[in-house]
Amino acid sequence: DIHMTQSPSSLSASVGDRVTITCRASQAISVYLAWFQQRPGKAPRPLIYGASSLHSGVPSRFSGGGSGTEFTLTISRLQPEDFATYYCQQYNNYPRTFGQGTRLEI
Amino acid sequence: QVRLVESGGGLVKSGGSLRLSCAVSGFSLIDYYFSWIRQAPGKGLEWVAYISTNAAYTDYADSVRGRYTISRDNSKNLLYLQMNDLRADDTAVYFCARDRLYFAGLDVWGQGTTVTVSS
Repeated sequence: DIHMTQSPSSLSASVGDRVTITCRASQAISVYLAWFQQRPGKAPRPLIYGASSLHSGVPSRFSGGGSGTEFTLTISRLQPEDFATYYCQQYNNYPRTFGQGTRLEI
Repeated sequence: QVRLVESGGGLVKSGGSLRLSCAVSGFSLIDYYFSWIRQAPGKGLEWVAYISTNAAYTDYADSVRGRYTISRDNSKNLLYLQMNDLRADDTAVYFCARDRLYFAGLDVWGQGTTVTVSS
């Protein structure tokens, strides 16, 4: 199984800040990497697929990059609604595996 | 409107069984793979199982293999997860998700249904 590791596990920031979350895969997954946002009590919301493509309706302040084993999610100009937990997930093969999550706090 | 709605969760005793359903609307079930994903209280996301378009292919997480069965009824636009021999560590919110494979991954999720296993 491919193991996904996110860093940091938690992050404190302020409205208007720029933050970056890193995700590392235990083996190469090309660009088959997705990012999800989850607010408390809600289902995960797909943000990015293919490492850098935004799903419909996702604000342009979200961006993703990377390939192979190293990936990033960057949120520029943080908004109040962005404070949530973020997960990366590989879909290069089964079993699909998720990172442990990064909690973004005010 | 593309939508997935899970149902069938509840409280069950250890060793018991439950069947979860996922109703699809706004698109045709037959065209897509699907996965179930779960989230234990206060924990991260764990992929559970997937099923191919015609149900020819399925796979499971090691933690549920042999106890869970994923299935689908394309004529009814329904996805299922039969869960047997439930244990306390199966307690979680269970989500169904559309899996667009290499095109876009898990791109549509349901709101989840809660399964609580009491010991």
